[in-house]
Amino acid sequence: NAGVTQTPKFRILKIGQSMTLQCTQDMNHNYMYWYRQDPGMGLKLIYYSVGAGITDKGEVPNGYNVSRSTTEDFPLRLELAAPSQTSVYFCASSYVQDTIYFGEGSWLTVV
Amino acid sequence: AQSVTQLGSHVSVSEGALVLLRCNYSSSVPPYLFWYVQYPNQGLQLLLKYTSAATLVKGINGFEAEFKKSETSFHLTKPSAHMSDAAEYFCAVSEANQGGKLIFGQGTELSVKP
Repeated sequence: NAGVTQTPKFRILKIGQSMTLQCTQDMNHNYMYWYRQDPGMGLKLIYYSVGAGITDKGEVPNGYNVSRSTTEDFPLRLELAAPSQTSVYFCASSYVQDTIYFGEGSWLTVV
Repeated sequence: AQSVTQLGSHVSVSEGALVLLRCNYSSSVPPYLFWYVQYPNQGLQLLLKYTSAATLVKGINGFEAEFKKSETSFHLTKPSAHMSDAAEYFCAVSEANQGGKLIFGQGTELSVKP
């Protein structure tokens, strides 16, 4: 049972570089999410999607972009990386109001 | 706007003692409430959820939580702590008209002393 799969697990970026965090789920969930986790801050929603072709901003969208071309995939793009984007990123998915399932996280450091 | 407050960023208990992790929420409509657990360097795993059925909810690993509307609380308890319960615990809320999005508390780190 793969569930929600994120890649890469770890990445170091230089300031100003760009990268894409990949996320795929095999549960046929219509809803997908990207959260970031910072120490002592809980998780903050970056972007979410209610289905293929539909995305919307969460609490902290600045500096990020997403796309949802298929039900399975929901990549998160960081443009012009900044030190403030050093964080742990979690992709997640769910049916509408049901349990949200999380990936194992991607640790990103911007130096 | 929804919000979640977890009282105490760090809780320490002895093995075998009662675990009580506090969570208060604000919501303009009846909420759905969740507790998640996160072990070091791992993702979040659902412990239990309240979705307007029974107010006392039982979850995995012997945990349970009680929804108290009058107190806007959803505290997590376990009668007897085990060393393997050491982890970070997150309370979260969502509303029916918010597309399943979760708003998380800041987390409580539980330590269990032998």
